[in-house]
Amino acid sequence: AQSVTQLGSHVSVSEGALVLLRCNYSSSVPPYLFWYVQYPNQGLQLLLKYTSAATLVKGINGFEAEFKKSETSFHLTKPSAHMSDAAEYFCAVIGNRDDKIIFGKGTRLHILP
Amino acid sequence: DADVTQTPRNRITKTGKRIMLECSQTKGHDRMYWYRQDPGLGLRLIYYSFDVKDINKGEISDGYSVSRQAQAKFSLSLESAIPNQTALYFCATSDPGQGATGANVLTFGAGSRLTVL
Repeated sequence: AQSVTQLGSHVSVSEGALVLLRCNYSSSVPPYLFWYVQYPNQGLQLLLKYTSAATLVKGINGFEAEFKKSETSFHLTKPSAHMSDAAEYFCAVIGNRDDKIIFGKGTRLHILP
Repeated sequence: DADVTQTPRNRITKTGKRIMLECSQTKGHDRMYWYRQDPGLGLRLIYYSFDVKDINKGEISDGYSVSRQAQAKFSLSLESAIPNQTALYFCATSDPGQGATGANVLTFGAGSRLTVL
């Protein structure tokens, strides 16, 4: 069965600093991996997805994530944080297209002025 | 109009009451899902449906039931609500698409906040 673990339920960074949100996955087959973002009082929206086409995936709003099979990781990064990035971020995994999608517990990102 | 519409957006009810949360979509997707979100627990899958005749239990289906009335409609019922079902509920849809790049990207509704007293 597939699963994801997000390290850190809360992360605080200063405006302009590097954002790093960690996600490790477990999958018995090559996975599809996703990052979703939830802004306050909204549903989730897709930031980016990994589907084996390229290990470095670029998403919206300047975010990117790198798939590292040897480390079973799919960490999310952004070079320079903006106040508008304050939100909750969820990593998700699916083992194949005919399977259900499993989410991590989420990481709430706080941006300090 | 939103691609995925959930009603009601907010509901307060009492223990033992029957509650139905409704979801409709205009995406034309075959796959629909119900998740619940609790602080610190992320999203947990309650039920999912890959087409009108296909219903599957998720991680936490006890105490819930679903009905897929049409491709566009998927409702979640709590037959006898209890306080620990107080949560934010999300409906989502997906389309596996063509080849690997479709990869089951989810489109979420805005959520239904349920409080059981």
